[in-house]
Amino acid sequence: DIQLTQSPSTLSASVGDRVTISCRASEAISKWVAWYQQKPGKAPSLLIYAASTLESGVPSRFIGSGSGTDFTLTISSLQSDDFATYYCQQYGAFPYSFGLGTKLDI
Amino acid sequence: QLQESGPGLVTPSETLALTCTVSGAPITNDNFHWVWIRQTPGKGLEWIGSIYYSGSASYSPSFRGRLTILVDTSKRQFFLRLGSLSAADSGVYFCARRAGVTAGWYFDVWGRGALVTVSS
Repeated sequence: DIQLTQSPSTLSASVGDRVTISCRASEAISKWVAWYQQKPGKAPSLLIYAASTLESGVPSRFIGSGSGTDFTLTISSLQSDDFATYYCQQYGAFPYSFGLGTKLDI
Repeated sequence: QLQESGPGLVTPSETLALTCTVSGAPITNDNFHWVWIRQTPGKGLEWIGSIYYSGSASYSPSFRGRLTILVDTSKRQFFLRLGSLSAADSGVYFCARRAGVTAGWYFDVWGRGALVTVSS
């Protein structure tokens, strides 16, 4: 099974900051990575798929990149609503798997 | 929209039965697969399995042997049955939708989640 390692596990930042979250896969998965945002007590919400394609309705400050084994999620200018936990997910190989998450806090 | 329902407390070694009710789009829409995902303290988010409206199901190897996913199109519902429960199965169970049969296996619509505790 493919393992996804996210770093850092926790990230402290301020409104207006540019932040980057890393997701490394244990095997190459082309561009088949999605990113989700989860707030406490809520379900994850899809942000990005195919490594860099923004889901409809998601603000353009969320930017995904990468291919192969290394992927990043960048938030170009943090807003107060962005403080949450972020997960990467691979769908390049069965069974599909998720990273353990990066908690973004103030 | 998706809505999970089921018991919040299950006894160890027993079987968990959860229902997901689909509204706003036909469960028979041939564009979609319907999925179960869970979130546990021990393993985080895990894809459990999926089902198509035809009844064709796919299961994660981690759960094979104790997992069944079914669909009832007349009720617009699909179901999870997970047996031989232990405390490690405690967590939040989500139903979700694969974004489309031509899309990859990522999930664009989620239910709110059902909290399940396995305890005697």
